[in-house]
Amino acid sequence: DQQVKQNSPSLSVQEGRISILNCDYTNSMFDYFLWYKKYPAEGPTFLISISSIKDKNEDGRFTVFLNKSAKHLSLHIVPSQPGDSAVYFCAASARSNYQLIWGAGTKLIIKP
Amino acid sequence: GAGVSQSPRYKVAKRGQDVALRCDPISGHVSLFWYQQALGQGPEFLTYFQNEAQLDKSGLPSDRFFAERPEGSVSTLKIQRTQQEDSAVYLCASSARVDLNYGYTFGSGTRLTVV
Repeated sequence: DQQVKQNSPSLSVQEGRISILNCDYTNSMFDYFLWYKKYPAEGPTFLISISSIKDKNEDGRFTVFLNKSAKHLSLHIVPSQPGDSAVYFCAASARSNYQLIWGAGTKLIIKP
Repeated sequence: GAGVSQSPRYKVAKRGQDVALRCDPISGHVSLFWYQQALGQGPEFLTYFQNEAQLDKSGLPSDRFFAERPEGSVSTLKIQRTQQEDSAVYLCASSARVDLNYGYTFGSGTRLTVV
């Protein structure tokens, strides 16, 4: 049973527009969420995180929103740039434990 | 070094062969993790070290998998009698902290193919 789900395997967005990547989770014990970005042949790179005590965290062009009641989080990228084309992974942990549970990833393609 | 270094980048092993995968974490990083990533999936936790102590090995899929970090820096993941289902990318990550506030730094991984 997948505890972290990214239901969209891929997403295509026009350059300059907003990219919205979604993630759902089932474990109500999760209290810390992270987004990682991955380019081909490289390891994942930490992007942004959010604790369950917040519902929004912003860092430059990247904003993560957390809806605890819906067990849903989303990553917004505004404006989208060609270099944002990558696979984005959502990951979660319980009690800020070191062990992360990952989604399967969403491939974001930014069209010029 | 500046980042987490893993070697080899690619490894092809015949079924039944033993393999050893190396991870050089960022100097001074206390925490070290191994993850396994199958094709089209997210990484799955294998094991965790804090310095030289292996605090959690609950993710190791079988007793054919063994990890060590004897001096609290370089770590080796060993897989004995490899099977086709072991084919995956093995990712190593390190962190200066024991919490998640800043995420981990991952290496580029070792892609293991068992034929």
